[in-house]
Amino acid sequence: DVKVTQSSRYLVKRTGEKVFLECVQDMDHENMFWYRQDPGLGLRLIYFSYDVKMKEKGDIPEGYSVSREKKERFSLILESASTNQTSMYLCASSLPRGGNQPQHFGDGTRLSIL
Amino acid sequence: GQNIDQPTEMTATEGAIVQINCTYQTSGFNGLFWYQQHAGEAPTFLSYNVLDGLEEKGRFSSFLSRSKGYSYLLLKELQMKDSASYLCAVKPGPDMRFGAGTRLTVKP
Repeated sequence: DVKVTQSSRYLVKRTGEKVFLECVQDMDHENMFWYRQDPGLGLRLIYFSYDVKMKEKGDIPEGYSVSREKKERFSLILESASTNQTSMYLCASSLPRGGNQPQHFGDGTRLSIL
Repeated sequence: GQNIDQPTEMTATEGAIVQINCTYQTSGFNGLFWYQQHAGEAPTFLSYNVLDGLEEKGRFSSFLSRSKGYSYLLLKELQMKDSASYLCAVKPGPDMRFGAGTRLTVKP
C-alpha cells in the first residue's frame, strides 16, 4: 500500500513564524501535491511538483513556497505565518503515467496560527 | 479557470440509493475522480471515469458525460458507514482540482 506520511497531525505556531510542513511518500511517485482544506471551500491546490527540484504554482500559492530536494520528500513552507493560514493541510502523491492515476493522501496537518 | 460544483449536503436512509451530482468546467480534461473522506481522515480514492458511461464497483457506480460536463456517484444499499463527504475532482492536466465536497448523512 502507498504510504504518505505528514510530519505532524497538529501544529500550533505564532504569527510571523516561518513554518515547515513535511511530507514523505514511500512509493517512488513522481508527482507530489500540497492542498489546504477549509469548510465550504474544499481542497485548494497550493503547489505541486512533478520531479525533483521542479515546482508549479496551484490556485493559491501566495504566502507559501515549496522544496523538493529528494523524490520522496515535498516540503511546504509558510514564509511568515498569518492567521488566515490556519487550516488543514493535505499532502498527496501520484504516478505520472496516464490520466488514471489517483492521488494518495496523507492524514493531514491541522495548523493553527495564533 | 476551473469550476467544479456539487451539492453541499445530502441525507438518505440506510438501505436506500443516493445519487451525488457533479458538474464541471475546466481548462482541460484528463479524467474525473470521486473520493470519500470521513471526518478527520484523509480522502480515499473511490472511482475514475475518462470515457462517457457508467463504471461500476460493487455498491458504488460513477457516470460521466463529457459533452455535458457532468458526473454522478451512485451509492446503493446505503450503510451507516457511508456517512462521509464525497469529493468530485477533475484532472485538467497533471494536477487535480476538487469540488467543495458533498456531506452525506445516512440515517437509520
